[in-house]
Amino acid sequence: DGGITQSPKYLFRKEGQNVTLSCEQNLNHDAMYWYRQDPGQGLRLIYYSQIVNDFQKGDIAEGYSVSREKKESFPLTVTSAQKNPTAFYLCASSATGYEQYFGPGTRLTVT
Amino acid sequence: ELKVEQNPLFLSMQEGKNYTIYCNYSTTSDRLYWYRQDPGKSLESLFVLLSNGAVKQEGRLMASLDTKARLSTLHITAAVHDLSATYFCAVDDLYGGATNKLIFGTGTLLAVQP
Repeated sequence: DGGITQSPKYLFRKEGQNVTLSCEQNLNHDAMYWYRQDPGQGLRLIYYSQIVNDFQKGDIAEGYSVSREKKESFPLTVTSAQKNPTAFYLCASSATGYEQYFGPGTRLTVT
Repeated sequence: ELKVEQNPLFLSMQEGKNYTIYCNYSTTSDRLYWYRQDPGKSLESLFVLLSNGAVKQEGRLMASLDTKARLSTLHITAAVHDLSATYFCAVDDLYGGATNKLIFGTGTLLAVQP
């Protein structure tokens, strides 16, 4: 089965802790993306990567970091510098020039 | 900077009625996508519109794109309760430094009442 997986589905952390969200795809897509969604809002782009070992900041990259060591994987770290980390995080992937497919999401709650 | 606006933000409609959701964007682009999101779930791709005049239909939903007017519409025909969801349009920011960098609208929450 081809698709995008994100883990965990729910994540709870204490303020001040870094946390890493996993995103894996087996669609052989070159491009991968991380979005953040707040309640009642649209999606905002955090980081994206069009090729292995390269990535670019999106509109709200502050307080986040990523890596792209393998084509299949694009983990997102939410650092303690992110002031309001509680949100729904969505990972997506696409073939170049084609539509983006989304994973099931990770709901992060920081208290 | 590309901006994408949807209206209405909330739409309550009766089953059997027709309605249209509008998506306006501010700069040139000829790639527009419509997604559906159910509560607490991820996004599901509905339509991909890649040229001026493109029209796609699936069941009770029909999407169109007018790149000259920078406008896309999502038309709902004879709504049924199963269509209740949030609908997002997203525009490819072709001049933002990379292809496939999408800018999303704020979404339209559709509630179909019996």
